[in-house]
Amino acid sequence: DSGVTQTPKHLITATGQRVTLRCSPRSGDLSVYWYQQSLDQGLQFLIQYYNGEERAKGNILERFSAQQFPDLHSELNLSSLELGDSALYFCASSVGFGGGLLYEQYFGPGTRLTVT
Amino acid sequence: AQTVTQSQPEMSVQEAETVTLSCTYDTSESDYYLFWYKQPPSRQMILVIRQEAYKQQNATENRFSVNFQKAAKSFSLKISDSQLGDAAMYFCAYRSRGSQGNLIFGKGTKLSVKP
Repeated sequence: DSGVTQTPKHLITATGQRVTLRCSPRSGDLSVYWYQQSLDQGLQFLIQYYNGEERAKGNILERFSAQQFPDLHSELNLSSLELGDSALYFCASSVGFGGGLLYEQYFGPGTRLTVT
Repeated sequence: AQTVTQSQPEMSVQEAETVTLSCTYDTSESDYYLFWYKQPPSRQMILVIRQEAYKQQNATENRFSVNFQKAAKSFSLKISDSQLGDAAMYFCAYRSRGSQGNLIFGKGTKLSVKP
């Protein structure tokens, strides 16, 4: 158990809908990363927050947004869902941001999103 | 931009034997980290081993070791005495030492272990 929690574990929804995925980082971690794992795109970085502020953006669609709240949990909002958004969404947390080895990323169990 | 390539979509090994998974990467940076992650059927991402680019010594974690060739930009994973529990997807990943700490992953190698 990494200490990172994600809810829900599974989500099934229809095209055009909006969903929210939730992540609680490990105790003491200030940084949250979101990754998407899909069959065609593989594992790719979406966005990173540190202590409530956006720090880095990856291949995140405009239909997707995220935020990190004062209690450090983070939410990933996916709207106008398409079939191609079906994927496993991971959250990872680390103590800080940046590439230092101190900032090891710990992954949550993921949320499996199925868009029908 | 950095890229990570795993050229072996699938590999198979006999239990107790040794297998090597390949990974190459492309970067213009001189300082970075490389990782191997294991993803079993449970889908949990598990860190197997890490390598700091400025360290010449290859990292080792029990039955897992790497062959890091910085000039060739190669980072292979060797699993010795393979066990049934080693069956999983294995992802090679790169992380810059700079301000952006996100991981860049390869497409993965599916490892099967035959009893």
